[in-house]
Amino acid sequence: GAVVSQHPSRVICKSGTSVKIECRSLDFQATTMFWYRQFPKQSLMLMATSNEGSKATYEQGVEKDKFLINHASLTLSTLTVTSAHPEDSSFYICSAEAGASSYNEQFFGPGTRLTVL
Amino acid sequence: QKEVEQNSGPLSVPEGAIASLNCTYSDRGSQSFFWYRQYSGKSPELIMSIYSNGDKEDGRFTAQLNKASQYVSLLIRDSQPSDSATYLCAVKTGGFKTIFGAGTRLFVKA
Repeated sequence: GAVVSQHPSRVICKSGTSVKIECRSLDFQATTMFWYRQFPKQSLMLMATSNEGSKATYEQGVEKDKFLINHASLTLSTLTVTSAHPEDSSFYICSAEAGASSYNEQFFGPGTRLTVL
Repeated sequence: QKEVEQNSGPLSVPEGAIASLNCTYSDRGSQSFFWYRQYSGKSPELIMSIYSNGDKEDGRFTAQLNKASQYVSLLIRDSQPSDSATYLCAVKTGGFKTIFGAGTRLFVKA
């Protein structure tokens, strides 16, 4: 199956700092990547969808100036949490699709656990 | 009405039994249906995809799709304690957007 990596797997930072999370598709070209957030015992929440070379599409209620997404290549997307605060502490998960088809599956990265002190 | 609905559970079954997980969806134009497994503290993992009406079997897993009833299910035969996880149903709508259900928690008792 397709492999998606995420880095770092875990990060602890001080309030007010920025954190960058990388998502890479290792063995396929990801035309579309997705960023999710998941709080403990809650369901996945889609934050944004990004296509290579274009601006990300954010879901309602997600601040695009706080959660900066860059999809610079067909194998790399980054999420930067700017001026992080304790309420941003969560499990951030990326996923990737190969191609724009109604049959393509999403493959998930292992996730990044962010703790903001 | 939610776009993809699942019973949150927990669904508890004894080891060796069949676990039946159900999902309904609202977009009649949906063409692709997926089941993901998510262990606590981990990210979702794709276990089955189904595109046509009927059954699709893969090892102990069988996905069933009924587009007329807008219903998709996952059967897990010979359930094992290691199957204890949250199972997410995902539906790709006519607009190519994938919608995830909130998940059903499955607990397999040894």
